[in-house]
Amino acid sequence: GNSVTQMEGPVTLSEEAFLTINCTYTATGYPSLFWYVQYPGEGLQLLLKATKADDKGSNKGFEATYRKETTSFHLEKGSVQVSDSAVYFCALTLGPNAGKSTFGDGTTLTVKP
Amino acid sequence: DVKVTQSSRYLVKRTGEKVFLECVQDMDHENMFWYRQDPGLGLRLIYFSYDVKMKEKGDIPEGYSVSREKKERFSLILESASTNQTSMYLCASSFGKFYYEQYFGPGTRLTVT
Repeated sequence: GNSVTQMEGPVTLSEEAFLTINCTYTATGYPSLFWYVQYPGEGLQLLLKATKADDKGSNKGFEATYRKETTSFHLEKGSVQVSDSAVYFCALTLGPNAGKSTFGDGTTLTVKP
Repeated sequence: DVKVTQSSRYLVKRTGEKVFLECVQDMDHENMFWYRQDPGLGLRLIYFSYDVKMKEKGDIPEGYSVSREKKERFSLILESASTNQTSMYLCASSFGKFYYEQYFGPGTRLTVT
């Protein structure tokens, strides 16, 4: 079946540090890939997505590139802020199956001033 | 703006009670989902629905049922609540059968005593 493996957390960084959260996937086919973010006390919200190989998703300074050859979708940000502290989830969707997604376990990021 | 609302943010129920969690989306989405989120276990899919009156079991359906009488509303029912159902419950919706992101509600934190 499909699966998503995320880098284990928690991750603690100082403000303005570089962030990488690794994500690799296993899927029979060509999935779409997503990063979601969950701020404390809230539901998940889409951060960025990529629907085909070599696509780069970007939003709010975060980027991730869909690498088919390494089955990866690593999340990066050049300079993190305290407000980026949250839980980050990597996910894939492989249709046609009513848009059901497979999620990673989530990585908790804490950014200290 | 896209909106998924859940009937309660916090709920406390007693063991053996019947519990209803309601979710409403205003985006005319076909697909709706119920997840539970527990520390260390990530998101686990309970049930999903790809059309009115249609439902499919997810990964952990035992002890739960669902109802979708109208396109915008998806209810999760705990027939006889137990303490091991204490959790955060997240509802989500998405459009179509392929490759679309999910939109999440804010979650309901349910405590069963």
